[in-house]
Amino acid sequence: GAGVSQSPSNKVTEKGKDVELRCDPISGHTALYWYRQSLGQGLEFLIYFQGNSAPDKSGLPSDRFSAERTGGSVSTLTIQRTQQEDSAVYLCASSPGRRGLADRDTQYFGPGTRLTVL
Amino acid sequence: GDSVTQMEGPVTLSEEACLTINCTYTATGYPSLFWYVQYPGEGLQLLLKATKADDKGSNKGFEATYRKETTSFHLEKGSVQVSDSAVYFCALSGKGAQKLVFGQGTRLTINP
Repeated sequence: GAGVSQSPSNKVTEKGKDVELRCDPISGHTALYWYRQSLGQGLEFLIYFQGNSAPDKSGLPSDRFSAERTGGSVSTLTIQRTQQEDSAVYLCASSPGRRGLADRDTQYFGPGTRLTVL
Repeated sequence: GDSVTQMEGPVTLSEEACLTINCTYTATGYPSLFWYVQYPGEGLQLLLKATKADDKGSNKGFEATYRKETTSFHLEKGSVQVSDSAVYFCALSGKGAQKLVFGQGTRLTINP
């Protein structure tokens, strides 16, 4: 079946502008994650959704970052007033998330959105 | 908190050489362990996983065994190919669909 999809694949923006990044998880996956991959910091966790709620937002670097998930499916990561240090590849992943499933912990990643802040 | 430490890279080998990439972890409880691979210009792909002590994950000729006593999950392959050139990430997650904690990644280059 279809994997995790993300859009846009590339986004170039000017410092101070807001951006929205979209993630479509694998159908039926209840858990959804956002990560950031940058040269200096490696792969960092940002936020985790179970259904539409976010029990773990501990990785969001500042209050400029927010995310929501609607209908237990699509998620949007919003960065307000972007800064140059926000430049990175933003990765979304989903997992089955349901108790009793053998691979409930296995996360499947999308291709990422490369964000460049000028 | 939980953490993963990977062998420093980059690693350069000749085709058909043996590969070991070391990975050790610190975690509370009994995490699930993963190796992900990122080929040039592509996204992260799951390579293999193990969910409990002494489990062996395997895929594409790669293997890793969950060693609770040494808190390790080393990645091995007996004969590497040029197509194995990629960045390899070791990761763990707590039980219950929790976040992944990644190692810093090891860049592997295989020369013909």
